[in-house]
Amino acid sequence: SAVISQKPSRDICQRGTSLTIQCQVDSQVTMMFWYRQQPGQSLTLIATANQGSEATYESGFVIDKFPISRPNLTFSTLTVSNMSPEDSSIYLCSVKGGGSYNEQFFGPGTRLTVL
Amino acid sequence: SQQGEEDPQALSIQEGENATMNCSYKTSINNLQWYRQNSGRGLVHLILIRSNEREKHSGRLRVTLDTSKKSSSLLITASRAADTASYFCATDGTGANSKLTFGKGITLSVRP
Repeated sequence: SAVISQKPSRDICQRGTSLTIQCQVDSQVTMMFWYRQQPGQSLTLIATANQGSEATYESGFVIDKFPISRPNLTFSTLTVSNMSPEDSSIYLCSVKGGGSYNEQFFGPGTRLTVL
Repeated sequence: SQQGEEDPQALSIQEGENATMNCSYKTSINNLQWYRQNSGRGLVHLILIRSNEREKHSGRLRVTLDTSKKSSSLLITASRAADTASYFCATDGTGANSKLTFGKGITLSVRP
């Protein structure tokens, strides 16, 4: 299975600032995903990031608020811009593949608190 | 909107008992995956069952899939306190660009 690391693991930020979350995978993968999990809720897909192309955002998420980079097949970043307390969530990086049957694996998450 | 819907939403059992969690979904799937999440940490992949499979085992885990009823169940046998966590089912659709869609999750508490 793919091994995924994220930095930072947690952060406390002031409103109006931005935070960039890094995701590193131990193998080359085509598809990387960014999810948000608000407190007590399930996971919601923010965007799909494929190397060499612009990220594809889900309804309700826009590039200005959540810019994503995907410079190569093992790395991606998600920036949470102009943060407000409503952005307090766990942000998870995910990749598909690396398993026997196209399983999807998740990183340890970044717990963000916005004051 | 969520594709998978788990039930019950919360389950409390005694250590050593079996825990059964159910998931229903609405549209055609390529596979269904179960995950565990401890205390707001990352998701741990437990098991994937493909649409043409009916049952799959992994250690103390048993997953079934009934595509005619669009439902799946996760059975944890001989539960342990360490199994206390949230469990999510997620469905992967049949399209080339399909995306994993999650249910709301089940909170399992195993009392020592």
